[in-house]
Amino acid sequence: AQKVTQAQTEISVVEKEDVTLDCVYETRDTTYYLFWYKQPPSGELVFLIRRNSFDEQNEISGRYSWNFQKSTSSFNFTITASQVVDSAVYFCALSEPPGTASKLTFGTGTRLQVTL
Amino acid sequence: NAGVTQTPKFRVLKTGQSMTLLCAQDMNHEYMYWYRQDPGMGLRLIHYSVGEGTTAKGEVPDGYNVSRLKKQNFLLGLESAAPSQTSVYFCASSYGMGLAGVIDTQYFGPGTRLTVL
Repeated sequence: AQKVTQAQTEISVVEKEDVTLDCVYETRDTTYYLFWYKQPPSGELVFLIRRNSFDEQNEISGRYSWNFQKSTSSFNFTITASQVVDSAVYFCALSEPPGTASKLTFGTGTRLQVTL
Repeated sequence: NAGVTQTPKFRVLKTGQSMTLLCAQDMNHEYMYWYRQDPGMGLRLIHYSVGEGTTAKGEVPDGYNVSRLKKQNFLLGLESAAPSQTSVYFCASSYGMGLAGVIDTQYFGPGTRLTVL
């Protein structure tokens, strides 16, 4: 069975600090996809990134960066120079392989609080 | 495009009452999903559909039924609501599988907050 673990329940940082959100996953599949979603206080789920299991290149998008390491089954998310608007709950998710219904298994989320 | 919309946004039910949550998407997506979000548990899949007229059970299907009579709509029904069904319900949709077997991203609606007294 697939499993996603986000061990950090809550993180508090001061604005402009860098912060890394951890995500560890378990799967027996060789082909899979990993996702990060953001849930701001307004409650909607916002897609941030999708990464497939064959692409281990790190990705950077503005202040956001993602580090995917198959050797440790991790897909960590770093926010550089955090801002108050980054305050949200962040979810890591793992999809089933192609040929299925692309169902997502979510972690329990990490609540990030950025203060001035 | 409105994306994924959900009706209603909030609802309070008494134990034993029934209701239907409506999800609509205007992106011509094949796949649709219903999740529930509970504190400390992330999102869990209730039911899903890989096309018009098809439905299947997810991780926590008990107490819920679904229907996908039209491609753009996915209905979630509670026949006899229980306090354990107090939750935030999210609908999502995606293209599903691309020609190359690429899994598409799921896009979520704004959620429905349901309280069962």
